[in-house]
Amino acid sequence: KAGVTQTPRYLIKTRGQQVTLSCSPISGHRSVSWYQQTPGQGLQFLFEYFSETQRNKGNFPGRFSGRQFSNSRSEMNVSTLELGDSALYLCASSLVGTFEAFFGQGTRLTVV
Amino acid sequence: QQQVKQSPQSLIVQKGGIPIINCAYENTAFDYFPWYQQFPGKGPALLIAIRPDVSEKKEGRFTISFNKSAKQFSLHIMDSQPGDSATYFCAASSSGTYKYIFGTGTRLKVLA
Repeated sequence: KAGVTQTPRYLIKTRGQQVTLSCSPISGHRSVSWYQQTPGQGLQFLFEYFSETQRNKGNFPGRFSGRQFSNSRSEMNVSTLELGDSALYLCASSLVGTFEAFFGQGTRLTVV
Repeated sequence: QQQVKQSPQSLIVQKGGIPIINCAYENTAFDYFPWYQQFPGKGPALLIAIRPDVSEKKEGRFTISFNKSAKQFSLHIMDSQPGDSATYFCAASSSGTYKYIFGTGTRLKVLA
């Protein structure tokens, strides 16, 4: 069974640009969550989606947004990039009715 | 109240030793406590998890001890090996959500 797939793996963007990251969950998993990982702040929750609806949102500015499609694939978007947005962005998928979340390898975003 | 405090920040043990990593939480609504292992350049991998209705859970060389009254839980790695050298994160969540609150991580090094 394939794991969580995140694309692209690496990305370099310039301040002020926007970026879209993609996540394909494990087959059958309908819940997708996103996290930002930085050396200074650790792993921080961004948002959680289930059946195309955002169920929870973390404490991030409105420049961070996401969505989920009918096939459970998810995207997150960051607009007007800042240097501080440089991070590893992780997606996790979960099988509804269970507690476990399984992470992908992440997308390493560097803002220059 | 949403924090999960993790200690120590780093740990060095000899091969065969038993590293212990501790976590504490405040929010009594948390009812799922996973541990993740992360290698450089990889996403976090679910290691073991516990719910508050049990005080201990073992899976292979990994054991979680849970103290509900103290709101603390810990990870023990039996017979540690150099391959266990990684960063370990504890986390907590509430039923019905995949919004995990993560500890700050413990960097473990097991010497050969």
